[in-house]
Amino acid sequence: DVKVTQSSRYLVKRTGEKVFLECVQDMDHENMFWYRQDPGLGLRLIYFSYDVKMKEKGDIPEGYSVSREKKERFSLILESASTNQTSMYLCASSLPSSGIYGEQYFGPGTRLTVT
Amino acid sequence: AQKITQTQPGMFVQEKEAVTLDCTYDTSDPSYGLFWYKQPSSGEMIFLIYQGSYDQQNATEGRYSLNFQKARKSANLVISASQLGDSAMYFCAMRKINTGTASKLTFGTGTRLQVTL
Repeated sequence: DVKVTQSSRYLVKRTGEKVFLECVQDMDHENMFWYRQDPGLGLRLIYFSYDVKMKEKGDIPEGYSVSREKKERFSLILESASTNQTSMYLCASSLPSSGIYGEQYFGPGTRLTVT
Repeated sequence: AQKITQTQPGMFVQEKEAVTLDCTYDTSDPSYGLFWYKQPSSGEMIFLIYQGSYDQQNATEGRYSLNFQKARKSANLVISASQLGDSAMYFCAMRKINTGTASKLTFGTGTRLQVTL
């Protein structure tokens, strides 16, 4: 079974703190993704990576950065957390999209509260 | 740009009844895939069913079927014989296929389904 794990289920941070959200997958997937989920807005893509050290901006990258030093690990960084970054953060991984399916496997999510 | 629209924020269905969750999409890409995911209260996203734009037949997976109407750009999820465990948030999503690089999923806003006794 594909397993995607995220470092924390719940996280509370103060405004201005630097926050690291970690994601690890064990299926040797090339692609990894970070989404945020907000009520009424669905899931929105923040950043994704299709290879080690490669990254691309998604739809809402402002205020975030990412790091992928190893294939299995994809980190989301909030350089200076703000209250509008309070949200559920979901990590996903998938095989390259040359396959028809390209199904994404998701982690359990991290609910981040910034106070 | 791709867009997914789910117009039903919430739905109720009685146990053992069938329910249809609506999804319409907009894209100019000739090749695309449509996905449905389930998100229970625990938070994880569970892949349910996939339909490719060139697939001739509607996809089915157990109690889930996808009513794909390409000309109308709709990809409704049908759940037959609803169970209490089907209560969850359901998301429709789409992406390009055969792009050669990581292809992003575009999600709708979701429909919260509540199954009642």
